[in-house]
Amino acid sequence: AQSVTQLGSHVSVSEGALVLLRCNYSSSVPPYLFWYVQYPNQGLQLLLKYTSAATLVKGINGFEAEFKKSETSFHLTKPSAHMSDAAEYFCAVSEGSNYKLTFGKGTLLTVNP
Amino acid sequence: DSGVTQTPKHLITATGQRVTLRCSPRSGDLSVYWYQQSLDQGLQFLIQYYNGEERAKGNILERFSAQQFPDLHSELNLSSLELGDSALYFCASSPTSPPPGELFFGEGSRLTVL
Repeated sequence: AQSVTQLGSHVSVSEGALVLLRCNYSSSVPPYLFWYVQYPNQGLQLLLKYTSAATLVKGINGFEAEFKKSETSFHLTKPSAHMSDAAEYFCAVSEGSNYKLTFGKGTLLTVNP
Repeated sequence: DSGVTQTPKHLITATGQRVTLRCSPRSGDLSVYWYQQSLDQGLQFLIQYYNGEERAKGNILERFSAQQFPDLHSELNLSSLELGDSALYFCASSPTSPPPGELFFGEGSRLTVL
């Protein structure tokens, strides 16, 4: 079965600093990969997705992620953190034709003023 | 607002009881997914329905069951509740021909078992 591993359950950055959230996947076939964000007391919202069209994927709120097959990685980045980015971020992989998502454990991002 | 509606938002009950969580998908979405989110297990896929039929099953306990009705809303039934069933239960829906993984999540139903 496909799976994702998120390195670091908690990442803390200063406002204006680079955000880097790590995700590695395991898959025997080309995967579909996603980043979702969960703000406090809310459901999950799609940030961006990789579906093999382009290796560098741009999402909402200035986030982007790069698919690197050789490293089996799909790390999420944002050049300059904003206070409003504080949330939990989940990497996910899609399995099969039913589009079921398998999520990583999540990374809680804290942004310090 | 994702367009997915879940009720109730909060539910407190006792061990051994039974509860039903309800989900109304986005208009036109045929697929419904149920996920359980807890601190120790993270987000776990429970079950998926497509147009009334079970499509995929995940880590769903035998005490739990679900169904999708002709109007496409779905219900998740949790019975013989245990303390460990306390969690946030999410419903998500997706369009008939979605880009893979584009699920739209509700705000969840928080279940507390005392």
